[in-house]
Amino acid sequence: DTAVSQTPKYLVTQMGNDKSIKCEQNLGHDTMYWYKQDSKKFLKIMFSYNNKELIINETVPNRFSPKSPDKAHLNLHINSLELGDSAVYFCASSQKAGGPNTQYFGPGTRLTVL
Amino acid sequence: ILNVEQSPQSLHVQEGDSTNFTCSFPSSNFYALHWYRWETAKSPEALFVMTLNGDEKKKGRISATLNTKEGYSYLYIKGSQPEDSATYLCALRHGSSNTGKLIFGQGTTLQVKP
Repeated sequence: DTAVSQTPKYLVTQMGNDKSIKCEQNLGHDTMYWYKQDSKKFLKIMFSYNNKELIINETVPNRFSPKSPDKAHLNLHINSLELGDSAVYFCASSQKAGGPNTQYFGPGTRLTVL
Repeated sequence: ILNVEQSPQSLHVQEGDSTNFTCSFPSSNFYALHWYRWETAKSPEALFVMTLNGDEKKKGRISATLNTKEGYSYLYIKGSQPEDSATYLCALRHGSSNTGKLIFGQGTTLQVKP
């Protein structure tokens, strides 16, 4: 059983389109995250939700909007895609937000904007 | 801006060699340090979470130490095997963070030649 899953694994789309990436965790965790792997290969936090409540919102263009329908799901919607949005996006979850809790990562979604 | 730096960026060793690499971070307001192992085309996999100065953790042939006063952690691999080839990431949890935010280093990519 996959603990943290993301769909799709690959996404190729045209500039200007709107797209969503879905993330689900079956670990019973309270907290979920979205990270972007930038051009220098760093993993950078974008958003975090704890029990469906937004708790981290880094400096990310407002074309990016996370949505958490329940605590097992955190989806990422991107409007008006730009070339610079091309990256690998990783979802993660942890038992709680506070404390030194391990974060468990999904397999990543490689987004290519043409 | 908090920086987490890892060195070296990449490392090539022969099977059987022991190796180590470094993660440096700001020593003020430390909370926790995470190590992850990231194989190509897979999810980052948690190795250790370290919180106390002087902490030593071990998992098989891999071990890690932590010095929070001077702001560094070492990861050691004893008797490297080809299956140890991966990128090793460290991530800092800063302050009394109750949001789960991790600041990642760029990683050290290890290649073990048979």
